[in-house]
Amino acid sequence: DTGVSQDPRHKITKRGQNVTFRCDPISEHNRLYWYRQTLGQGPEFLTYFQNEAQLEKSRLLSDRFSAERPKGSFSTLEIQRTEQGDSAMYLCASSSDYFGGVFGPGTRLTVL
Amino acid sequence: AQSVAQPEDQVNVAEGNPLTVKCTYSVSGNPYLFWYVQYPNRGLQFLLKYITGDNLVKGSYGFEAEFNKSQTSFHLKKPSALVSDSALYFCAGPSEDYKLSFGAGTTVTVRA
Repeated sequence: DTGVSQDPRHKITKRGQNVTFRCDPISEHNRLYWYRQTLGQGPEFLTYFQNEAQLEKSRLLSDRFSAERPKGSFSTLEIQRTEQGDSAMYLCASSSDYFGGVFGPGTRLTVL
Repeated sequence: AQSVAQPEDQVNVAEGNPLTVKCTYSVSGNPYLFWYVQYPNRGLQFLLKYITGDNLVKGSYGFEAEFNKSQTSFHLKKPSALVSDSALYFCAGPSEDYKLSFGAGTTVTVRA
């Protein structure tokens, strides 16, 4: 499979717990993006990596959120002390240029 | 910077009829525009993009889009809709070089 993969596909957690999501981009893509999508809305940009460097974080990303991309390959998104407002679909995308991107299937997070 | 808008929350058509999903944009320079489709509980699938060149862009699954500079529009079209085209459609454009800004989405329902 040469697409973008994300794991897990679904995550249910209790408020206050920490969660971590993983994204495996298309191998030749050096750009990786995280987006968040809430019900009935379009995806919103969270953060962006070029290779292993995190170049921008949206103000949507509070201090409880952290993302890494060690060695410029896969990426992880961690949410600490989850809140009910964090419930959303978390989408990862990768691209080899500035334009658009290939999206993964997403991780749906439900915080109880 | 660029922004897009989708003026219709929902579009309903009968199978076999033409389908149009509307998108308008505002941009200070050359526009780059994308269409994505999302099926329930799935990630976004790329349909087509306009970077430069022909105003009529052909994409996946029989979809096409017409770039109209005078009307600042990039409407998605399909000559004959299928029930399987029922999904959520997003227009998008780069808000800055490397991240996409999405419209709110249009839910398409194709009835048999």
